[in-house]
Amino acid sequence: AQSVTQLDSHVSVSEGTPVLLRCNYSSSYSPSLFWYVQHPNKGLQLLLKYTSAATLVKGINGFEAEFKKSETSFHLTKPSAHMSDAAEYFCVVSPRGAGSYQLTFGKGTKLSVIP
Amino acid sequence: GAGVSQTPSNKVTEKGKYVELRCDPISGHTALYWYRQSLGQGPEFLIYFQGTGAADDSGLPNDRFFAVRPEGSVSTLKIQRTERGDSAVYLCASSPTGADSGANVLTFGAGSRLTVL
Repeated sequence: AQSVTQLDSHVSVSEGTPVLLRCNYSSSYSPSLFWYVQHPNKGLQLLLKYTSAATLVKGINGFEAEFKKSETSFHLTKPSAHMSDAAEYFCVVSPRGAGSYQLTFGKGTKLSVIP
Repeated sequence: GAGVSQTPSNKVTEKGKYVELRCDPISGHTALYWYRQSLGQGPEFLIYFQGTGAADDSGLPNDRFFAVRPEGSVSTLKIQRTERGDSAVYLCASSPTGADSGANVLTFGAGSRLTVL
């Protein structure tokens, strides 16, 4: 079984300040972890993924996330927010191998960026 | 195509009617998925196709929901006797294969928003 908890439903930051979106996961196996972003009326876009390599994962648009097994966390960060980052962000967990099509999404965190 | 295409983008129907939602995956992707995203929630898995066959339909909520992929490319999600609770955004995704020893990266379409009045 697997589950994802996104700790904040809404985060608001000022442009140019750091972004932190928090995610905790539960899994009975070593998971793959992802962050997806969803802009209004657009498809979900992959930001980054963790498999079993480096625990610090770099993604697109300056985002990165750190896998911490001891804390079962996979928080998303960005040093400096841009207006274009305003969107909804989903943390996702899946098994590896044969069951890897079964993505479990968190409920999402809506990021607002204030000019 | 360059991305996953879903039609219609919006569908409004009346309770009890039949609805079809279409998905055209990325060319060459053998795996196709349907997810449903209700208001304020993350997407939830419905069904996974590997080629023409439904490899896992455990996420379909009941027998009013059915999906096909007859030629291993385009898929249609069919909903019979729609109910107000079926209102949601239906997302389609595809990937090169359905299982990956690394991370199976899905490419999503923009979704079909279904509203049942």
